[in-house]
Amino acid sequence: QVQLQESGPGLVKPSGTLSLTCAVSGGSISSSNWWSWVRQPPGKGLEWIGEISHSGSTNYNPSLKSRVTISVDESKNQFSLKLSSVTAADTAVFYCARHLALGGTTSFGIWGQGTLVTVSS
Amino acid sequence: EIVLTQSPGTLSLSPGERATLSCRASQSVNSNYLAWYQQKPGQAPRLLIYGTSSRATGIPDRFSGSGSGTDFTLTISRLEPEDFAVYYCQQYRSSPPRYTFGQGTKLEIK
Repeated sequence: QVQLQESGPGLVKPSGTLSLTCAVSGGSISSSNWWSWVRQPPGKGLEWIGEISHSGSTNYNPSLKSRVTISVDESKNQFSLKLSSVTAADTAVFYCARHLALGGTTSFGIWGQGTLVTVSS
Repeated sequence: EIVLTQSPGTLSLSPGERATLSCRASQSVNSNYLAWYQQKPGQAPRLLIYGTSSRATGIPDRFSGSGSGTDFTLTISRLEPEDFAVYYCQQYRSSPPRYTFGQGTKLEIK
């Protein structure tokens, strides 16, 4: 059973860079085509940030594209998120997720537990 | 960008009742690319339905999805106490790749 675990600093200063890692256990990161990051501000809904394939291809939410970098490290079985120039509006729970692709469908099949990142001085 | 609008915002029902949740898209959505998630407080979302009507592994058959084009529905046939949560619909468009979520429907105990 594949499990995902987010890790990284829980507090980031305004104008700084948020950095998170998603460790994949119970399976290989190469076994799934795509992996994503999704965020959820406190008390609000879900927002897709971007996705990466095990080979390193990426797609980003246009609203965040200028500030986002997602990378993969197959040797460590993990992928990472960097979000630059953060403000208080970036405070959120950040989730990593593994895509489910069956019969031409696509969805987020497995999620990490999430990690809260607060942007504050 | 496709906007998903879920209704109602809050649905108050009793255990044993039937719940019908709506998700309306601002443009037509490929039925392969419409999914539903359940989220309980303090937990990550859980995939319920993918491809409009296919139940994810381990999801009870009281959950069903239907719809096409711009109108999609999640139905819970007989509510169990553990079903009270927030539900999100989500769509994918491939050109350019983009995933969007509805704002959520909170299903609460009446």
